[in-house]
Amino acid sequence: SQQGEEDPQALSIQEGENATMNCSYKTSINNLQWYRQNSGRGLVHLILIRSNEREKHSGRLRVTLDTSKKSSSLLITASRAADTASYFCATDQAGTALIFGKGTTLSVSS
Amino acid sequence: EAQVTQNPRYLITVTGKKLTVTCSQNMNHEYMSWYRQDPGLGLRQIYYSMNVEVTDKGDVPEGYKVSRKEKRNFPLILESPSPNQTSLYFCASSLSDGGPNTEAFFGQGTRLTVV
Repeated sequence: SQQGEEDPQALSIQEGENATMNCSYKTSINNLQWYRQNSGRGLVHLILIRSNEREKHSGRLRVTLDTSKKSSSLLITASRAADTASYFCATDQAGTALIFGKGTTLSVSS
Repeated sequence: EAQVTQNPRYLITVTGKKLTVTCSQNMNHEYMSWYRQDPGLGLRQIYYSMNVEVTDKGDVPEGYKVSRKEKRNFPLILESPSPNQTSLYFCASSLSDGGPNTEAFFGQGTRLTVV
């Protein structure tokens, strides 16, 4: 069961630009998380936003959550080449699992 | 250092030869799970475990087995591997599921090729 769907599938930008990725999901959630994956490596947790929160910041990351639209966005400001990676949203289903989307592949060129 | 350790990192095997991928975490996490990652399909959950001796199927459990005899270990067993199980496998652990402390920690992955 694919809960989250990221959009776009791929994104190419220049260093210094902002990158925005979106995630839509289907059922009610307790929280939503964003993860990053460098090519072929394990996923690394970036940020968690709870269902009663609307916005959260962590360094250059800004996450928003709109539970009425069942959607979230991840904004990376002032992108760097090192931000090149795949980004996944994940939603929890109480008593089961973290369900991941298919990811957005971000390419930042210098 | 808090970590999830998978072994082996790379494995090439032949169809039908039983294999085990080990996963161990040192964070005393209750919840552990296995995922497979395939191009265009993202991560799909194979099995998960809420605690010792408690396991359940995820989205794609066919052809896999797991066990949770100890809190720290959660091995993935392929009794009779087939080529369609060629994939990148990840083990993950977290404190709990469904609550606020659900940051998942991932292993580095096991790239399995079945020929």
